[in-house]
Amino acid sequence: GQQLNQSPQSMFIQEGEDVSMNCTSSSIFNTWLWYKQEPGEGPVLLIALYKAGELTSNGRLTAQFGITRKDSFLNISASIPSDVGIYFCAGLTGTSYGKLTFGQGTILTVHP
Amino acid sequence: DGGITQSPKYLFRKEGQNVTLSCEQNLNHDAMYWYRQDPGQGLRLIYYSQIVNDFQKGDIAEGYSVSREKKESFPLTVTSAQKNPTAFYLCASSLARTDTQYFGPGTRLTVL
Repeated sequence: GQQLNQSPQSMFIQEGEDVSMNCTSSSIFNTWLWYKQEPGEGPVLLIALYKAGELTSNGRLTAQFGITRKDSFLNISASIPSDVGIYFCAGLTGTSYGKLTFGQGTILTVHP
Repeated sequence: DGGITQSPKYLFRKEGQNVTLSCEQNLNHDAMYWYRQDPGQGLRLIYYSQIVNDFQKGDIAEGYSVSREKKESFPLTVTSAQKNPTAFYLCASSLARTDTQYFGPGTRLTVL
């Protein structure tokens, strides 16, 4: 099935640094979702975006729904060790009948 | 507390045996989904159900079966026909077919 192109695949950063990751697609999406998954656990929803151009924050996290509806970005400011995990983007089209299309994930490691 | 529960957390089975994974939600969501996650990979959709007594195959349905007799329950059976059943299985639900999906904590299945 189709996958979103998520980059980077992994990031190794120092505590306090800012982080940026993005997802792109050749298809248009009506909804973009960002999840975080910790080892052995299910993904937890971080931010949901429903409108092209929308910019939404959740604490130190900010995500944007690209104006072309084919991409989305997630930024984490002032990273802390508990930000460690895998971040997934996911998209919903208007005709996907609830079937999420996922990115491959970005593995984030934060060094104290 | 409202949420999605999956049981058991860890499951071991012998080759040739069928096994059923439980997924229950008390969020009053109409739609439920089953995903499979392999190490270092994204999530792949196995089956989904938009309404009670109805379900559709996802991208990798071979060797799996489901039922949706109650709105709050969507059990997944991994049959002996599934060639590589060892994986992390995630259940999700959403209010309607185009809504944001919320995930359960997952079940790790190991075939011995």
